Amino acid sequence: QQQVKQSPQSLIVQKGGISIINCAYENTAFDYFPWYQQFPGKGPALLIAIRPDVSEKKEGRFTISFNKSAKQFSLHIMDSQPGDSATYFCAASMSGAGSYQLTFGKGTKLSVIP
Amino acid sequence: DTAVSQTPKYLVTQMGNDKSIKCEQNLGHDTMYWYKQDSKKFLKIMFSYNNKELIINETVPNRFSPKSPDKAHLNLHINSLELGDSAVYFCASSYDRDQPQHFGDGTRLSIL
Repeated sequence: QQQVKQSPQSLIVQKGGISIINCAYENTAFDYFPWYQQFPGKGPALLIAIRPDVSEKKEGRFTISFNKSAKQFSLHIMDSQPGDSATYFCAASMSGAGSYQLTFGKGTKLSVIP
Repeated sequence: DTAVSQTPKYLVTQMGNDKSIKCEQNLGHDTMYWYKQDSKKFLKIMFSYNNKELIINETVPNRFSPKSPDKAHLNLHINSLELGDSAVYFCASSYDRDQPQHFGDGTRLSIL
């Protein structure tokens, strides 16, 4: 059972365009939603994260939108650049008692073409 | 300075062998993790280790065992390697369980 569903699997965007990646989760106990960026041959790196008490978080060109009632969250990359070409993973976890383990989506390969 | 370092970067071995992957973090973090990334790039948690408390993902075969000699190290031992173990293994660390995780660059394990 996949608890975090991510789409699309791949995305091609022109330089300067907006890249949008969507995720949906099932477990209402999730309370932390990070996005990771992974370049070939490297480990995932935290890009931006949000908790469900806010509906949007922006850091530079990257914005997370969060819809608690729909159990969905998305990553928007404004003014996409070729250097943004990477695989992006959404994730979710729950804090509190027990383990804090990230459940990842299956990833989106983003290609930004000049 | 590398924050989370793994060795070796590549590991090629035969089925049935026993191997270890080392992980060290110099961030002063209290929690460490091991993840497996399969050929389709799907990332799955294997273990988390915090203050000598080990949380094991129930789907991980008991051929896999993490060993932590101290807070800065969490090594992964794998016994009786199987073809399906071929993957990239990532180590990660965080200050605490609800803090951002920092990943190493992975160890690509190939089983012949």
